[in-house]
Amino acid sequence: QKEVEQDPGPLSVPEGAIVSLNCTYSNSAFQYFMWYRQYSRKGPELLMYTYSSGNKEDGRFTAQVDKSSKYISLFIRDSQPSDSATYLCAMYGGLPRTDSWGKLQFGAGTQVVVTP
Amino acid sequence: NAGVTQTPKFQVLKTGQSMTLQCAQDMNHNSMYWYRQDPGMGLRLIYYSASEGTTDKGEVPNGYNVSRLNKREFSLRLESAAPSQTSVYFCASGDRGETQYFGPGTRLLVL
Repeated sequence: QKEVEQDPGPLSVPEGAIVSLNCTYSNSAFQYFMWYRQYSRKGPELLMYTYSSGNKEDGRFTAQVDKSSKYISLFIRDSQPSDSATYLCAMYGGLPRTDSWGKLQFGAGTQVVVTP
Repeated sequence: NAGVTQTPKFQVLKTGQSMTLQCAQDMNHNSMYWYRQDPGMGLRLIYYSASEGTTDKGEVPNGYNVSRLNKREFSLRLESAAPSQTSVYFCASGDRGETQYFGPGTRLLVL
């Protein structure tokens, strides 16, 4: 079983709708939770990261982490056609100078299509 | 700043051939990483280098070797390519484990 599970989609929404994405995980040691956006045939780009539980907002994007449920979410408000991409969650619990440092565990990615 | 650059962008190999994927970063990061991305599998870490002069195995290191040439450059070598190594390869760099910056990728097809 994978450490990080993510529904591959595709998730199709009309322009202006709220996009809701989520990942579940099994490793309680994870402390850092990231969301990457990947356009077709491009490299992933970091959208947001959150440390431990709680919410973080950045413009139209809101990331939520519920460590008790091992569940993270990304919400995109007022979605635009330019938000059409694959969204990857990633996480890790590494400490500097330890064996797990920088070893991100990625979900498989959810493809999002925002239709005009 | 170019960020993270990778060459080549696309390569076709025959089974048994060798090749080296090049990666360079201009952000002065200590840590660099090589991932492969396959459909339905997400990104998986092949090798990483926490700092110049050090390298270590990731989740899927078999069939690959790496060289951290200097602080800027980190190369990935396939000594004898196999069809199972058909994938998209991404290099990344970062100084904090949670913030990694990715290159544009190399698409490799092994026939």
